[in-house]
Amino acid sequence: AQKVTQAQTEISVVEKEDVTLDCVYETRDTTYYLFWYKQPPSGELVFLIRRNSFDEQNEISGRYSWNFQKSTSSFNFTITASQVVDSAVYFCALSEAVGSQGNLIFGKGTKLSVKP
Amino acid sequence: NAGVTQTPKFRILKIGQSMTLQCTQDMNHNYMYWYRQDPGMGLKLIYYSVGAGITDKGEVPNGYNVSRSTTEDFPLRLELAAPSQTSVYFCASTDHTDTQYFGPGTRLTVL
Repeated sequence: AQKVTQAQTEISVVEKEDVTLDCVYETRDTTYYLFWYKQPPSGELVFLIRRNSFDEQNEISGRYSWNFQKSTSSFNFTITASQVVDSAVYFCALSEAVGSQGNLIFGKGTKLSVKP
Repeated sequence: NAGVTQTPKFRILKIGQSMTLQCTQDMNHNYMYWYRQDPGMGLKLIYYSVGAGITDKGEVPNGYNVSRSTTEDFPLRLELAAPSQTSVYFCASTDHTDTQYFGPGTRLTVL
C-alpha cells in the first residue's frame, strides 16, 4: 500500500535557523513521483517541487533544497536561513505512475513556525 | 490563465441541506480530483475523473456525488449534509502524473 509519513507534526525555529522537514514514503511501484506543497495560513496549496523516482539528484532552489534517497525511501526538505514568511504547513505527497489514477497521497503535514 | 477556480469560498449548511461545489479549470487537463482536508490532516481523495463522462470513487466517497460533462468542469454534490462533512474541499487538475494544480478551496461548515 502507498503511504507517506511526516513524523514531525510541528516544528518551531527562530528566524535564520536552518530546518529540515522529514518525509518517508512507501510504494510498490518502481516509477513514482514525489511532491512538496506549502500551505500558508491563507489556506491555498502552493506547489514547491516534483521529483521523478529515477532522478535521485538533489535539488536546490534558493533557500530551499531537497534530498531524495531511494535507499531509505525518504524525500526530505531543508530550508536554509528560515524566514517568518516560511511559516506554513508543508505537505509531502506521492503519486504512482503505472496503473494509477494519478491522485496524490498526502502525508499529514508538518506545521513550521518561524519566530522573529 | 485562471488555473483552477472554485466557488463558493465559504458556505454554512444546515444538516440535511444539499449543495454543489463548483470547480472549473482552463488548462485543458483530462484529470480532475476532489479532496477534502480535515483539521490537522492531509488531503484525502473523494472522487476523481480521467476525462469527460468518466468518474470514479476515491478513498472517502460516501455522501458525495460528481459529474463530468465537460473537460473544464467537475462539480461535487453533497445531497444530505452531515456535520462529518465539515471540511475544506480542494479541487485539482493535472495531465496525469504531471504537477497537480489546486484551486483555492471551499470551506464548508455543516451545523
